[in-house]
Amino acid sequence: GAVVSQHPSWVICKSGTSVKIECRSLDFQATTMFWYRQFPKQSLMLMATSNEGSKATYEQGVEKDKFLINHASLTLSTLTVTSAHPEDSSFYICSARGQGAPTNEKLFFGSGTQLSVL
Amino acid sequence: EDKVVQSPLSLVVHEGDTVTLNCSYEVTNFRSLLWYKQEKKAPTFLFMLTSSGIEKKSGRLSSILDKKELSSILNITATQTGDSAIYLCAGSPYSGAGSYQLTFGKGTKLSVIP
Repeated sequence: GAVVSQHPSWVICKSGTSVKIECRSLDFQATTMFWYRQFPKQSLMLMATSNEGSKATYEQGVEKDKFLINHASLTLSTLTVTSAHPEDSSFYICSARGQGAPTNEKLFFGSGTQLSVL
Repeated sequence: EDKVVQSPLSLVVHEGDTVTLNCSYEVTNFRSLLWYKQEKKAPTFLFMLTSSGIEKKSGRLSSILDKKELSSILNITATQTGDSAIYLCAGSPYSGAGSYQLTFGKGTKLSVIP
């Protein structure tokens, strides 16, 4: 139980294009979803927190116009990297927290999306 | 489908105790296993293990990988209340063209009481 599916797992795009990453909770309702960025052998960096039906809360230094987050339903959150540039190339991971026990006791992680911007 | 299983799911110990957290994995084309500490905002990287039998240490924390048993353990000695957190392990495969994925376990919630 408590499976989070992230798609795509790997995307290559040209500079200037936009890329959408999906994060779905498959068997529970996720009231809160988190988006992270990770560089190899480093801690995950929280980018934003999204609650279903409301605007995402972005961490300091994260451009909200560049990283658009939509959490339109209790099972889906999307991260759109707009006008991607090579410096946006990274590994992006989502996690989700459910409504009631036991899914609200821990975070459940997607498998990540490797974005390469050429 | 890749799978990572952690045990126990939850653990309560007294300060000063030593704990061992377990992680088993089934990852196709396995490359490495990573341990994180989840406290507040985001998981903090602890260790990355790629070679079997070589212990990695950082202060009171240590970890080792057993590729034969497809498992890893994370040891914490002389636990402190600040060690209370959820500990995550994740398996990573070799993938083409520099991409990689992480399959996370569900985490072990460690509570250290004074």
